[in-house]
Amino acid sequence: EAEVAQSPRYKITEKSQAVAFWCDPISGHATLYWYRQILGQGPELLVQFQDESVVDDSQLPKDRFSAERLKGVDSTLKIQPAELGDSAMYLCASQPGGAAYNEQFFGPGTRLTVL
Amino acid sequence: DAKTTQPTSMDCAEGRAANLPCNHSTISGNEYVYWYRQIHSQGPQYIIHGLKNNETNEMASLIITEDRKSSTLILPHATLRDTAVYYCIVRGRLGTDKLIFGTGTRLQVFP
Repeated sequence: EAEVAQSPRYKITEKSQAVAFWCDPISGHATLYWYRQILGQGPELLVQFQDESVVDDSQLPKDRFSAERLKGVDSTLKIQPAELGDSAMYLCASQPGGAAYNEQFFGPGTRLTVL
Repeated sequence: DAKTTQPTSMDCAEGRAANLPCNHSTISGNEYVYWYRQIHSQGPQYIIHGLKNNETNEMASLIITEDRKSSTLILPHATLRDTAVYYCIVRGRLGTDKLIFGTGTRLQVFP
């Protein structure tokens, strides 16, 4: 069964360093989402792509976070510089495009610890 | 903000039905009720969704009240592997509308 792939699974970094996360969605899925999940809370949407275009990045802290999906397939989320408060699970999800009422398929996530 | 209210935690004996309630009193006519669950250290997993009719699939049943202000997710025969956080989410009609997660219900299934 096709799955959303994410790497790395775990990342430890020091504050002020740059970090990057990678996501490979299920083949053919046009919509891609990045979520952040702080311990004890539900996931919060950071950015949504439709193919290579950003649909919603209203919750993305643009002074330090950036996301791209250059060819409309895989995606990278970057944080520069990382802050202590960025410690969280970063989840990627994908969904087939053009159809209504579809489920989102989530990857296993990248757990970031900022020291 | 999440548009749903769920109990923080629930317990259920293995083999018994788990009934997870959700209030969504401000749901509008074109919004669906979705349920996802998240097993520890994994990404969320879709369970089921519905508009106004009751729905059933291989994982669960979804019962939505006639006024659509609340719903119940039913796991008919809970197993230890059903221990997870369950999220009830109200989502717009468009399939690409974003999911807004609350804090969910932590279901503990015990032997």
